[in-house]
Amino acid sequence: GAVVSQHPSRVICKSGTSVKIECRSLDFQATTMFWYRQFPKQSLMLMATSNEGSKATYEQGVEKDKFLINHASLTLSTLTVTSAHPEDSSFYICSAREGLAASYNEQFFGPGTRLTVL
Amino acid sequence: QKEVEQNSGPLSVPEGAIASLNCTYSDRGSQSFFWYRQYSGKSPELIMFIYSNGDKEDGRFTAQLNKASQYVSLLIRDSQPSDSATYLCAVNIPRNNDMRFGAGTRLTVKP
Repeated sequence: GAVVSQHPSRVICKSGTSVKIECRSLDFQATTMFWYRQFPKQSLMLMATSNEGSKATYEQGVEKDKFLINHASLTLSTLTVTSAHPEDSSFYICSAREGLAASYNEQFFGPGTRLTVL
Repeated sequence: QKEVEQNSGPLSVPEGAIASLNCTYSDRGSQSFFWYRQYSGKSPELIMFIYSNGDKEDGRFTAQLNKASQYVSLLIRDSQPSDSATYLCAVNIPRNNDMRFGAGTRLTVKP
């Protein structure tokens, strides 16, 4: 089946530093990748959608200069949290879809990255 | 109206019972419907998808879709404690080529 990996699975950093999270589709080409954030006991919140080779589309309220997304290839997307602050501590999850269309195309999730900013 | 709505629960059923999870959606043009399971501290895992009206069965899981009522459900037969998780309904939104998730229903299966 479709496998999506994320690295690292857990990261602790100091306030003010930047953290990069990688998301890879291992056995399919991901035309579209998504980044979500989830706070404890809350629902998934979509942060941005990226298509390979294009700029990411950010959801309202998500700062694109703080959360840098690069989808440079069909198997890799990265999320960089710049100048991280404690309120950025959360569970970051990527997902990937093989096709461009949302219809009839499942999204497969990576295992998530737990970020803690001290 | 939210694009995808689910009862947040918690829904509690005894072991061996049928758990029924419901989801409604607002866009009549939606064509694809997905159920994901998310264990605490883990990422969502796809368990079923359904595209046509009616029932679709996979093991102990049955997805039911009624496009006229804009309603999709997931039935879990012979519920097990290991089914205890949050179940997320996801629906494609054609106008923006997107998929939206409901807030999830937390299911607890008591031994």
